[in-house]
Amino acid sequence: DQQVKQNSPSLSVQEGRISILNCDYTNSMFDYFLWYKKYPAEGPTFLISISSIKDKNEDGRFTVFLNKSAKHLSLHIVPSQPGDSAVYFCAASSVSGGGADGLTFGKGTHLIIQP
Amino acid sequence: SQTIHQWPATLVQPVGSPLSLECTVEGTSNPNLYWYRQAAGRGLQLLFYSVGIGQISSEVPQNLSASRPQDRQFILSSKKLLLSDSGFYLCAWSVRGVGELFFGEGSRLTVL
Repeated sequence: DQQVKQNSPSLSVQEGRISILNCDYTNSMFDYFLWYKKYPAEGPTFLISISSIKDKNEDGRFTVFLNKSAKHLSLHIVPSQPGDSAVYFCAASSVSGGGADGLTFGKGTHLIIQP
Repeated sequence: SQTIHQWPATLVQPVGSPLSLECTVEGTSNPNLYWYRQAAGRGLQLLFYSVGIGQISSEVPQNLSASRPQDRQFILSSKKLLLSDSGFYLCAWSVRGVGELFFGEGSRLTVL
């Protein structure tokens, strides 16, 4: 049973426009959500996170929105740049539960920024 | 600052051969340690995690095992590799009680 779902395997966006990546989760115990960016043959790098006590977190061009009632979060990238082309993973954790068992990841969305 | 290293970066092994991937963390003490695998089209799957020396928790039944002989060392092993063990293996660490994971560079394993 997949607890974190990214239903779009790929997304193509024109340079300068907004990229919106979506993620849904099913486990009500999740209270901390993260986005990671991954280039081929490299480890994922942390991008941005949000706690369940917030509904929005912003860091430069990246904004994460959390809708707890819908169990949905999204990552907005504005404006999109060629270097943003990568696979983006949504991840979730139960920090209040200790968090020792790591993060549960979605399958990823391959973002392609078109020049 | 904290760093994490894993090796080898690339490995090609025949079916039935053993495996040993190593991971070390520097600049922190008592980290939680993790092994993930990225298989084609399957995202990042947690294989093992450890909260202390000698303490290993397995998330999925499989052909692999893990050990933590020292506080900042995490080893992924197999006695006999299967074709299905091919994938990109990632070691990660976290501070206890904090959700964020920090990943190593990854190890590409191809079993032929």
